[in-house]
Amino acid sequence: EPEVTQTPSHQVTQMGQEVILRCVPISNHLYFYWYRQILGQKVEFLVSFYNNEISEKSEIFDDQFSVERPDGSNFTLKIRSTKLEDSAMYFCASNPGRPLFGSGTRLTVV
Amino acid sequence: AQSVAQPEDQVNVAEGNPLTVKCTYSVSGNPYLFWYVQYPNRGLQFLLKYITGDNLVKGSYGFEAEFNKSQTSFHLKKPSALVSDSALYFCAVREEQAGTALIFGKGTTLSVSS
Repeated sequence: EPEVTQTPSHQVTQMGQEVILRCVPISNHLYFYWYRQILGQKVEFLVSFYNNEISEKSEIFDDQFSVERPDGSNFTLKIRSTKLEDSAMYFCASNPGRPLFGSGTRLTVV
Repeated sequence: AQSVAQPEDQVNVAEGNPLTVKCTYSVSGNPYLFWYVQYPNRGLQFLLKYITGDNLVKGSYGFEAEFNKSQTSFHLKKPSALVSDSALYFCAVREEQAGTALIFGKGTTLSVSS
């Protein structure tokens, strides 16, 4: 079965630094999503992306977050100035019919 | 707005016994319902989904789920639990409109003892 690939698997960054989380969705999918899971808590929706623009976003997805699909393959989540509370597992997913998730990037902000 | 409730933080069953993990939902219109499983330090693995049709949905690894519209429930079941089923299970719902995001429950930890 095709997979959603995420890199890196784990990233440690200092508070205030910018991070970019990368995802390679399944090639023929049209909808892409970012979710996050703070340790021990539920999975929360951040943003969805369709036709090269944001189609839906949650209240968590504030001005410090941005997404893009720069080359038609990669789908990235950028956090402009990380805070301690951004420490979480970030999951990329694609396809609304049967959303398939990547294995996640564990972001640790110190 | 849609929401999902998983009333149990943890479910404990003995190997070989049937298991049920409960989920209730709230959504406007027809619900699209999903179950995912998460093993430690891993991503979310799709188990099954309900969109329309038979109320009993069969999925991966012998799991099934029963959709009950009147009770707005979508409980996950398995006739005979395995120790390897021990994991964190998430129920999720989305609206009918194409591309809408999944809303997850808080998760239920299933522990199967040998």
